[in-house]
Amino acid sequence: GENVEQHPSTLSVQEGDSAVIKCTYSDSASNYFPWYKQELGKRPQLIIDIRSNVGEKKDQRIAVTLNKTAKHFSLHITETQPEDSAVYFCAASRGPNFGNEKLTFGTGTRLTIIP
Amino acid sequence: DAGVIQSPRHEVTEMGQEVTLRCKPISGHNSLFWYRQTMMRGLELLIYFNNNVPIDDSGMPEDRFSAKMPNASFSTLKIQPSEPRDSAVYFCASSLLLDYVFRDTQYFGPGTRLTVL
Repeated sequence: GENVEQHPSTLSVQEGDSAVIKCTYSDSASNYFPWYKQELGKRPQLIIDIRSNVGEKKDQRIAVTLNKTAKHFSLHITETQPEDSAVYFCAASRGPNFGNEKLTFGTGTRLTIIP
Repeated sequence: DAGVIQSPRHEVTEMGQEVTLRCKPISGHNSLFWYRQTMMRGLELLIYFNNNVPIDDSGMPEDRFSAKMPNASFSTLKIQPSEPRDSAVYFCASSLLLDYVFRDTQYFGPGTRLTVL
């Protein structure tokens, strides 16, 4: 089955600086890669996702890059703000036409923005 | 849109008791996922349904766990008998599967925090 590794497990960044979180996956058939943000005591919420037909996607201060050859993808947050402090999870899955499309999650990165 | 609804939000029970968690997916979504989150094991998929049919239950820990989806707007996750190691936050998520080709985003419910004493 799929295995997703996520690094680092904790990350502290000065407010205004950039943060980068990296994930690798093992299943070459995976083609969907979402990122979720989870604040303390809350539900995971999708912040951005990317499908395998593109290499990069951006939404305001958040961007995700995908390297299918190397099987890794990264989350980039620029101009970080205190409200970016949370746990971030990457995930990977196959498409539904592969028959089994369970999302496999990374172990999470606790991001702390230092004011 | 009310989003994914889960009940109860908190459940405290004693070992050996039966626990039933409930989920109402977003209206129009045809797929439903049950996850468990713990500090030790992170976020794990337990089971998921497409069009009310269980597709993959390989994440269900053992026979004490069972899940049903009798209709498109309701699902249950039952633990019987419950054990202290079942203590976790259980999330339900739903999404839209189009023509078995395109999977839209999974939207999570608020979760049920289960404590088994």
